[in-house]
Amino acid sequence: EAQVTQNPRYLITVTGKKLTVTCSQNMNHEYMSWYRQDPGLGLRQIYYSMNVEVTDKGDVPEGYKVSRKEKRNFPLILESPSPNQTSLYFCASTIGTSGNNEQFFGPGTRLTVL
Amino acid sequence: SQQGEEDPQALSIQEGENATMNCSYKTSINNLQWYRQNSGRGLVHLILIRSNEREKHSGRLRVTLDTSKKSSSLLITASRAADTASYFCATGGGMDSSYKLIFGSGTRLLVRP
Repeated sequence: EAQVTQNPRYLITVTGKKLTVTCSQNMNHEYMSWYRQDPGLGLRQIYYSMNVEVTDKGDVPEGYKVSRKEKRNFPLILESPSPNQTSLYFCASTIGTSGNNEQFFGPGTRLTVL
Repeated sequence: SQQGEEDPQALSIQEGENATMNCSYKTSINNLQWYRQNSGRGLVHLILIRSNEREKHSGRLRVTLDTSKKSSSLLITASRAADTASYFCATGGGMDSSYKLIFGSGTRLLVRP
C-alpha cells in the first residue's frame, strides 16, 4: 500500500530535550516536505527536499533541522524544543521535484512541549 | 506566506444539500488543489485543476477556476454526514510557490444528518 508514515504519532516532551520525528514514504517520490498546523493558521511549510541531499527552508524553519540521506526518509529534528513548537506536524511527499503536484500526507504527529 | 484564503471559514448544512466553498489567491499559479482533512488526521487530495482549465469534476465534486479573478470554488453536491471535514485549497507553481504548495486556512464543513 502506498503511504507516508510518521513516528511517533503523539509525543509529550520538555523544553530543550532534543527529539526527532521520522517520516518515510514507499512511493519513490523525489519531493518531501514538513508542515506544521496550528489553529487558524492552516498548514505552514517548515522545510522541503527536492531530492536526496537537497533541502531548503520553507516559511517557518526556525528551530528545526532536516536531512535527506535516503530517498524514502526525511526526518524532522528539533534540537532544543520550546513550547511555541507545540503543534500538529505533517510530512508529505509528491512525485517530481517541483512540489506542485498532488501531495500524499502522513497521519500526523501531535507534539506537546512543556 | 498565505496564498489561498477560503470562504466561508465555517459552513453548516443539512444532509442532501449542496456545499460551496470558495478560495481566493494573490499571485499567478500553475495549479490549484483541494484537500480534505478529517479531524486531526492527514490531508487527503481531492482534485487538482490547472491554470488553463476552467472546470473539473470528480464524483460529487465540482471545482471551478477563474484565473482572471484569482478564485476557485469547490462544490459538493448531495452532501452526506461523512463529508463533515475541513477543506483546504492549495496553490502551486506561483511566484511565491515555485517549489511548494501554499495552503489556505480552510473551511470547516458540518453536514447535519
